[in-house]
Amino acid sequence: RKEVEQDPGPFNVPEGATVAFNCTYSNSASQSFFWYRQDCRKEPKLLMSVYSSGNEDGRFTAQLNRASQYISLLIRDSKLSDSATYLCAVNLGSSYDKVIFGPGTSLSVIP
Amino acid sequence: DGGITQSPKYLFRKEGQNVTLSCEQNLNHDAMYWYRQDPGQGLRLIYYSQIVNDFQKGDIAEGYSVSREKKESFPLTVTSAQKNPTAFYLCASSSEGLAPYFGEGSWLTVV
Repeated sequence: RKEVEQDPGPFNVPEGATVAFNCTYSNSASQSFFWYRQDCRKEPKLLMSVYSSGNEDGRFTAQLNRASQYISLLIRDSKLSDSATYLCAVNLGSSYDKVIFGPGTSLSVIP
Repeated sequence: DGGITQSPKYLFRKEGQNVTLSCEQNLNHDAMYWYRQDPGQGLRLIYYSQIVNDFQKGDIAEGYSVSREKKESFPLTVTSAQKNPTAFYLCASSSEGLAPYFGEGSWLTVV
């Protein structure tokens, strides 16, 4: 089983739609979790950090379920500019800050 | 300005050559990372370092080497033992437990 897995995508949604991405992780000792956005041929940029049960920032909501070992990202009222690849990352914690990324989920918001 | 600088942005390597990618940060972060990204794929961890003079192998360390002689610097050498080095290489740094912050990346092509 891979350490971090994500919905395979791609997701194609109309403007204004609500879309949710899921990410599962295998290491129950994982301490912190992140969602990044990556545009084509660019570096990933941090969207949200998730340290407890959840976090909200405007149209974006991230939730953490430690019992089931998954995190989710909800985007409300999708904009054309939300089109990108969304990467889930997990800090496996323990003695070292080992941060592993999922394969990413591609989102296209259609006019 | 604080940030991470990767150089060169584009690099061409002949078969059998070693090349070194530079990564410098002035964010006073303890942890630094190197990831590799292939087209349409997620980020795979090559090496990471928590402190000066210490580093750990990631999931795909074979054919790569690193050093961490200074807190600010974490260069990556792609050796001739790496059979398929053409990829996008991303360096990142973070404070303990916090989200990694990325440089703009280096594109390596074997010719």
